[in-house]
Amino acid sequence: EAQVTQNPRYLITVTGKKLTVTCSQNMNHEYMSWYRQDPGLGLRQIYYSMNVEVTDKGDVPEGYKVSRKEKRNFPLILESPSPNQTSLYFCASSSRLAVNEQFFGPGTRLTVL
Amino acid sequence: AQRVTQPEKLLSVFKGAPVELKCNYSYSGSPELFWYVQYSRQRLQLLLRHISRESIKGFTADLNKGETSFHLKKPFAQEEDSAMYYCALLTQGGSEKLVFGKGTKLTVNP
Repeated sequence: EAQVTQNPRYLITVTGKKLTVTCSQNMNHEYMSWYRQDPGLGLRQIYYSMNVEVTDKGDVPEGYKVSRKEKRNFPLILESPSPNQTSLYFCASSSRLAVNEQFFGPGTRLTVL
Repeated sequence: AQRVTQPEKLLSVFKGAPVELKCNYSYSGSPELFWYVQYSRQRLQLLLRHISRESIKGFTADLNKGETSFHLKKPFAQEEDSAMYYCALLTQGGSEKLVFGKGTKLTVNP
């Protein structure tokens, strides 16, 4: 089954404790992206990747890092999480030729205390 | 700069009533617009795209370049249409990416 998976789905952590949210897709998609969803602010793009070893900042990259060492994986790293990073995070992927049709993961709800 | 505006955070209608979710955009290039939907406890998914002029689940959306709008419409709303709706603009020229509006939560009451 074609899908985008994220782990963990829920995470409660404390300020400053490094964490990684994994994202994996099995559709051989070149394009992958991370978004955060906040009430009243909608979906905002954090980082995206057009292909392996190619990453770019989205609209709200501060406090986040990503890597794209393999085509299927696009982990999101919070080196020193802060409470304002409490949010619902979505990973998405698509063909490079159809960025409009992104397949979204189930979301990761992160709480930073 | 590219921008997508959805002026209504919340929209509530009764079953069987017409519904229109507004979307306006600002973009210097040739716009490609889309509607995404997120039902309760489900993933965000593509609902429809302007370029195909399709009708999905009874919804249609017409791109009006003069008014820079891409409103989503349905003549008779159903309870199962209750969801969060996002309008999105595809930016091009180098790095393609989707710019989302802030979303409108539609509630269809029985």
